[in-house]
Amino acid sequence: DAKTTQPPSMDCAEGRAANLPCNHSTISGNEYVYWYRQIHSQGPQYIIHGLKNNETNEMASLIITEDRKSSTLILPHATLRDTAVYYCIVRVALSNTGNQFYFGTGTSLTVIP
Amino acid sequence: DTGVSQDPRHKITKRGQNVTFRCDPISEHNRLYWYRQTLGQGPEFLTYFQNEAQLEKSRLLSDRFSAERPKGSFSTLEIQRTEQGDSAMYLCASSPALGDTEAFFGQGTRLTVV
Repeated sequence: DAKTTQPPSMDCAEGRAANLPCNHSTISGNEYVYWYRQIHSQGPQYIIHGLKNNETNEMASLIITEDRKSSTLILPHATLRDTAVYYCIVRVALSNTGNQFYFGTGTSLTVIP
Repeated sequence: DTGVSQDPRHKITKRGQNVTFRCDPISEHNRLYWYRQTLGQGPEFLTYFQNEAQLEKSRLLSDRFSAERPKGSFSTLEIQRTEQGDSAMYLCASSPALGDTEAFFGQGTRLTVV
């Protein structure tokens, strides 16, 4: 069962920041928020993850609200190669030390030249 | 390349045939996952291994599906008596045993049942 809600599609102009929202209102205190993206016909690619604090890496920034019920992935300078489906995922700990990722249907981001 | 490797990349089979897919995880990754992805949907969890032990199975994994990881390294996913509804991308992922870390996905095996 998907635990996140994302808009089905978004457009972004090349060179501008892409801000992808995600709602995860039922998230538990020990569940992480992960972002992956998937370019057509390829496997999902890890972008970033966080628990409470905002996070930044070479690909993106993750802003998590104080109540942790929503987050935003920011691609600071979108390029055409960033066109992909972006998945916001809540990581659920499995019963035997594993971690299951619940993928929703994601946001299809189109970067426009 | 030391990423997750899946073989074959594409498989076309006739309904009723058996198929087997292979996944080679990143070396020394103890955790291995199988996911299934149908057109327009996100990946859905199928099963999880910690070393050679299969510790979790989704209800999506019917009795026609079986997964193994005999030596805690590579894994196989077999589908018996394939049905057209089995047509999907089958994704494998791996991650280290410890720590808060991401799972690394392979490129997937696309199965088409005709």
